[in-house]
Amino acid sequence: DAGVTQSPTHLIKTRGQQVTLRCSPKSGHDTVSWYQQALGQGPQFIFQYYEEEERQRGNFPDRFSGHQFPNYSSELNVNALLLGDSALYLCASSLGTSGANVLTFGAGSRLTVL
Amino acid sequence: AQSVTQLGSHVSVSEGALVLLRCNYSSSVPPYLFWYVQYPNQGLQLLLKYTTGATLVKGINGFEAEFKKSETSFHLTKPSAHMSDAAEYFCAVTDPSGGSYIPTFGRGTSLIVHP
Repeated sequence: DAGVTQSPTHLIKTRGQQVTLRCSPKSGHDTVSWYQQALGQGPQFIFQYYEEEERQRGNFPDRFSGHQFPNYSSELNVNALLLGDSALYLCASSLGTSGANVLTFGAGSRLTVL
Repeated sequence: AQSVTQLGSHVSVSEGALVLLRCNYSSSVPPYLFWYVQYPNQGLQLLLKYTTGATLVKGINGFEAEFKKSETSFHLTKPSAHMSDAAEYFCAVTDPSGGSYIPTFGRGTSLIVHP
């Protein structure tokens, strides 16, 4: 049973560019959350998608946007990249949106902005 | 608003010694509490969680944690460390009264195990 898969695993961009990261949730899961993990920090919540809609959003600017598809997979888009956007981006899936749910994480996409 | 404090960014122990990783939280009501572990180049995986019921929770790989409401703590312990326990450990908290249902993660504690 495949867990959460993310692509690409690594990528390098320059300031001002745009990036799209992709996530396929664990089989049977319908909710996808995205997190940003800076070096030496804990994951910071970006947003959560359920039923193809953004349900909750963390303290991130509008440059960060996303989408969920009918098969529950998801994309994270970041426009006008800044040096500070360099981080590991984690996708986590769950069944439903309950706060008691366990999150299943992917290995992440490491973004470097030069 | 909920918050999580993990005391000590690094904890170093000898193989076979007791492991104690500290986590304190702030929440208006008893929260949902989680410990996740992150091995190098991998995503986070659940060690254990507390939602309701027994306050001593047992997880995978011999880890356990105790929810202490009076101390607002959820410290992670393991009686005897193994070399394979070396990893980054994250405590996470969800406040069920806040309407958010999104866990807040601590900054993490790196466990170093010496032979």
